[in-house]
Amino acid sequence: NAGVMQNPRHLVRRRGQEARLRCSPMKGHSHVYWYRQLPEEGLKFMVYLQKENIIDESGMPKERFSAEFPKEGPSILRIQQVVRGDSAAYFCASSPTGGPGSYEQYFGPGTRLTVT
Amino acid sequence: EDQVTQSPEALRLQEGESSSLNCSYTVSGLRGLFWYRQDPGKGPEFLFTLYSAGEEKEKERLKATLTKKESFLHITAPKPEDSATYLCAVQALSGGYNKLIFGAGTRLAVHP
Repeated sequence: NAGVMQNPRHLVRRRGQEARLRCSPMKGHSHVYWYRQLPEEGLKFMVYLQKENIIDESGMPKERFSAEFPKEGPSILRIQQVVRGDSAAYFCASSPTGGPGSYEQYFGPGTRLTVT
Repeated sequence: EDQVTQSPEALRLQEGESSSLNCSYTVSGLRGLFWYRQDPGKGPEFLFTLYSAGEEKEKERLKATLTKKESFLHITAPKPEDSATYLCAVQALSGGYNKLIFGAGTRLAVHP
């Protein structure tokens, strides 16, 4: 299966702990996006990364949230000192570089974060 | 501000009863409009991309159309397996980046 992979699928953290969410893009894709879906709300853009570069982080909360996409390995969304309001589904998407369909984003299954 | 509004919020259909979902958008310049399907507990599944007014795309019982202000997703003779939330999203030319701006979705339930 060459789709977008995310892990873990479910993550439970206590308030104040750190959450690390991982995303491996589709084969041949070098653009990665993170979105958050709060309960009963729509998908909201968080951050757009290419290998070793953050391109657009206009949707990221100013504090506690960070993202990276290293030269080797998956993209990581990190949430420090989680609070109950961080409970949501976090989706990763990827798109290819240039060419036909380069703007289309393909989504992973998501990580459902629950903060207790 | 770029914005996407979908209607109705929820739609209940009988099997075989055709209908349309609406997506209206306000964007400084449209790079592309996207339709996704999302099943409960899963990630959005890509359906269509539309780039310019007048464009149409079809896939099985679904047909997407685009005007300068809105897009429609037409569902012909739906089946229960078409039940899902349908999401519309736009990419704007402004800013030069690829982020998707989503609407809240239309929850479709098709009953036998």
